[in-house]
Amino acid sequence: EAQVTQNPRYLITVTGKKLTVTCSQNMNHEYMSWYRQDPGLGLRQIYYSMNVEVTDKGDVPEGYKVSRKEKRNFPLILESPSPNQTSLYFCASSPRTSGTYNEQFFGPGTRLTVL
Amino acid sequence: SQKIEQNSEALNIQEGKTATLTCNYTNYSPAYLQWYRQDPGRGPVFLLLIRENEKEKRKERLKVTFDTTLKQSLFHITASQPADSATYLCALSPFSGGYNKLIFGAGTRLAVHP
Repeated sequence: EAQVTQNPRYLITVTGKKLTVTCSQNMNHEYMSWYRQDPGLGLRQIYYSMNVEVTDKGDVPEGYKVSRKEKRNFPLILESPSPNQTSLYFCASSPRTSGTYNEQFFGPGTRLTVL
Repeated sequence: SQKIEQNSEALNIQEGKTATLTCNYTNYSPAYLQWYRQDPGRGPVFLLLIRENEKEKRKERLKVTFDTTLKQSLFHITASQPADSATYLCALSPFSGGYNKLIFGAGTRLAVHP
């Protein structure tokens, strides 16, 4: 089954304790992205990747890191989480085809609480 | 400033009626618009895409219109069913962002009552 998976689905942590949220897709998509979703604000893009070893900042990158060493994986790293990073996080992937606009496939979400 | 606005209040309608959701944007020149459905606790699921040179797109009971003069997209669900109850997100792709960049609205919750 074609899908985007995220782990963990739920996480409660404390301020300053480094954490990684994993994202993996099995559709051979070039484009991957991380979003956070907060009430009343919609989905906001954190980082995105156009292909292996190619990443760039989205609209709200502060406090986050990413890496893209393999095409299928795009982990999100919080080096020193703070309470304002409490949110619902989504990973998404999309085929990157020049000249064609493509839908994005979303993972199930990771609900993160930073105390 | 650039904004995408969807009705923040929930839309309540009776089963069988047509639901119409609105997406307005300012200070963008989108290449295309997408609509997604999101159920509680789940990731968004793609529904429809409409390009800036298209006026209308249909898929089964769904219809999307795109008016670049009014800077507005309307999303219609005809013969609505309780199973259509969800939050609907519009997302636009600005010309400057590349083919995959999406800016999302906050979504409108639709409740279809039997």
